[in-house]
Amino acid sequence: AQSVAQPEDQVNVAEGNPLTVKCTYSVSGNPYLFWYVQYPNRGLQFLLKYITGDNLVKGSYGFEAEFNKSQTSFHLKKPSALVSDSALYFCAVRENTGFQKLVFGTGTRLLVSP
Amino acid sequence: DSGVTQTPKHLITATGQRVTLRCSPRSGDLSVYWYQQSLDQGLQFLIQYYNGEERAKGNILERFSAQQFPDLHSELNLSSLELGDSALYFCASSKGQGLVTEAFFGQGTRLTVV
Repeated sequence: AQSVAQPEDQVNVAEGNPLTVKCTYSVSGNPYLFWYVQYPNRGLQFLLKYITGDNLVKGSYGFEAEFNKSQTSFHLKKPSALVSDSALYFCAVRENTGFQKLVFGTGTRLLVSP
Repeated sequence: DSGVTQTPKHLITATGQRVTLRCSPRSGDLSVYWYQQSLDQGLQFLIQYYNGEERAKGNILERFSAQQFPDLHSELNLSSLELGDSALYFCASSKGQGLVTEAFFGQGTRLTVV
């Protein structure tokens, strides 16, 4: 079964510094990977996805993610963090068997300090 | 605004009771997914419907059921409620059930069982 792992419960970074939120995946076949963000008391918002092609995927709010097949990773990155980026981030993989439901990681809380 | 509407936003009910959560997907979306988000278990997939038919089941209890109606809105029914059912319940929708389609989430229904 497809799965994703987010090894860090929380990531702390100072405003203006680069940020990385880690995600590794386990799939059979080609991976279809997604990042979502959840702000307090809100639903999940789609940030970006990797389907095929360039390993660097650009998404909303200045975020990007780097797909690395050899390391089975899909880390979320941003060159310069903002306090407003503080939120819960979820990595997800779409199953490529059956009815292709989205399977989410456990989430990583990003805290950006002023 | 994702275009996915969930009602009610908040629900407080007693143990043993039954509640119905409602979801209206984005216009044109045929797939509806239900997720449960609790503090200790992260984001758990419950069930998926596509154009009125059940497509995939996840960790959904027998006390829970769902359906998708001809107008594509969906309802999640939770019965014989227990304290542990207190959680945030999300609905998401996508155009199809294919690998490349991202899902868009509603703002969730916060259920508190007392």
